[in-house]
Amino acid sequence: ETGVTQTPRHLVMGMTNKKSLKCEQHLGHNAMYWYKQSAKKPLELMFVYNFKEQTENNSVPSRFSPECPNSSHLFLHLHTLQPEDSALYLCASSQEGREYNEQFFGPGTRLTVL
Amino acid sequence: AQSVTQPDIHITVSEGASLELRCNYSYGATPYLFWYVQSPGQGLQLLLKYFSGDTLVQGIKGFEAEFKRSQSSFNLRKPSVHWSDAAEYFCAVGARGSQGNLIFGKGTKLSVKP
Repeated sequence: ETGVTQTPRHLVMGMTNKKSLKCEQHLGHNAMYWYKQSAKKPLELMFVYNFKEQTENNSVPSRFSPECPNSSHLFLHLHTLQPEDSALYLCASSQEGREYNEQFFGPGTRLTVL
Repeated sequence: AQSVTQPDIHITVSEGASLELRCNYSYGATPYLFWYVQSPGQGLQLLLKYFSGDTLVQGIKGFEAEFKRSQSSFNLRKPSVHWSDAAEYFCAVGARGSQGNLIFGKGTKLSVKP
């Protein structure tokens, strides 16, 4: 595997389900991100992890719970979601500490909440 | 407030015609600027980036962009569009020391007529 991978690619869940999204980066980076992409809205940064420590949480509801066990893996745990949470969830990684902050994105998980 | 504006939501061009996608930014610090492309159902792929130096930057797939500080713009251009360029294009701005946080525009969807 190369780059940034995400599983599953598609997920349909009910409002009472619990599921997790997984992201893995194979680039040796030390920072990882979760974004939400909804129709007709700009990309929304949800969480940032730098060296496995969460450095940003952009007022994301508690039904979204991130986990970063190491600098290569990032999870997004989902529970009691709402239909408006249906979106494409994108993971990205970058190498912090360099002069610039180019981010590399995964293909995303298309989430549908029924 | 920091922001990125892509004034065109949807653009249609004929195959072989030239293309220019507009991007304007508002950013307090010296900006780093990016253009990403997203094909349907896919993640974002970096087309090109500007950090410093020559204000005309070359990217992949024959794209280029010009940074104009006086106009706060970073427009994307391609001299001859191919049908495979049909996608959504996102402009983003960031700064060193911002922990990799990027601000994205809402995107411009490009359609290509045969």
